[in-house]
Parts: sequence; C-alpha cells; structure tokens
Amino acid sequence: AQKVTQAQTEISVVEKEDVTLDCVYETRDTTYYLFWYKQPPSGELVFLIRRNSFDEQNEISGRYSWNFQKSTSSFNFTITASQVVDSAVYFCALSEAGNQFYFGTGTSLTVIP
Amino acid sequence: GAGVSQSPSNKVTEKGKDVELRCDPISGHTALYWYRQSLGQGLEFLIYFQGNSAPDKSGLPSDRFSAERTGGSVSTLTIQRTQQEDSAVYLCASSSLSGGLYYNEQFFGPGTRLTVL
Repeated sequence: AQKVTQAQTEISVVEKEDVTLDCVYETRDTTYYLFWYKQPPSGELVFLIRRNSFDEQNEISGRYSWNFQKSTSSFNFTITASQVVDSAVYFCALSEAGNQFYFGTGTSLTVIP
Repeated sequence: GAGVSQSPSNKVTEKGKDVELRCDPISGHTALYWYRQSLGQGLEFLIYFQGNSAPDKSGLPSDRFSAERTGGSVSTLTIQRTQQEDSAVYLCASSSLSGGLYYNEQFFGPGTRLTVL
C-alpha cells in the first residue's frame, strides 16, 4: 500500500491564483516526520519543510503555507498568489523511526502567465 | 558548505556494459539514499545506508544492481549488464540524525543521468 498519496498528478493554474497540493499519508507510528520537496525543471530537489507528528500548528512561509491534520492524515501545501517560478514537481514524503523515506508520486504544477 | 555531489553528471553506455555511479554525501551525514527517477516519474527508492547497519536493499530492482558505502562516506551504485530500461536519473541523498532515531530532511545531489543505448 502507498504510504504517501498525492492524488493530483498535474495541476495548471493561472498566475496569481492560489493552489493547494494534497498529500495523504499512512503510518502506524505515533512519531514520524513529514516533508515537502520541490523539483524545478532544472531537476535538483529542494527541501521546503519538515514537520514532526507532534506539531500540528500550521506553518506559513511567505506565499507558502502548510496544513497538517492528523485526524485526516493529511499534510497539504498551499501556494498563495502563484507565480511562474512556482512551476515544478512537488513531492510529499514521510519518514518513520529508523526507516527509509517514503515519497509520493509527485504533483506537477504549471503556472500559466 | 559543500552539498551532496554525484559523478558523472551524465553517462551514456551501451546495452550490456557495467556502470558505476558515485555519490559523495554531506560530511557527517550518517544516512545515504539512492533513488531512481525515470522521465516524468516519481522517485523510486533503491537502497539506503544507515550508519554501520546493514543496508536496506529492498528497493533494488534486480540482482544486476548493487551498492556499497565505504568508510561510512562515499557510495557507489553499480549496475551490471545494463539494459535500456535502466535509463533514468539516479539521485543520491544524505541525511543526519535527529534525536538519535529520526532523520532530518534529505539533501539531494544533482543526479546522474544514465542513458543506455
């Protein structure tokens, strides 16, 4: 079974629109970490955020915000007022104790000028 | 400081040849991961090394694939008798421990693009 599901394969938005990328995870651990990475067209994966399972506070960083809800096992990522430079593939990932990272299949975001 | 480096950046080989891909993790990172990413696809886990423990090889697609990590630092991924379906970008990442048990974020290298003709 997929431990991390990103149901949205591709999303297109017009510049300045808000967009939310969904991530649903599955784990039996009580302590775990969740991550978002960005992979721009250049190819190199860039770390965006790390959140541990005990911290359900939403986080905002500039135009980026993350909504972590343990009740629904979701860790969604919202980009406000999207820009062309946000066009990339975004990956959600889960890390359990002492184990490998589990990545979702990615959501390809295209921001149209 | 220096990030994760991989070499070569590009490798073109003929079907049936062996190839070696190298990864230099960030100094002090105890965990090292190899992934494969085919064109337009997600990350496929291959193998990971965790300190001095036996590596988790559960993602290796066949016995033609092997990896080693010498001295807890540099890692080499070897693909024997390459096939065309092995063509992909091979990504390496490293990570440090948090609180002795959980790993911090992974830092990725630029990848090696392998093309098997």
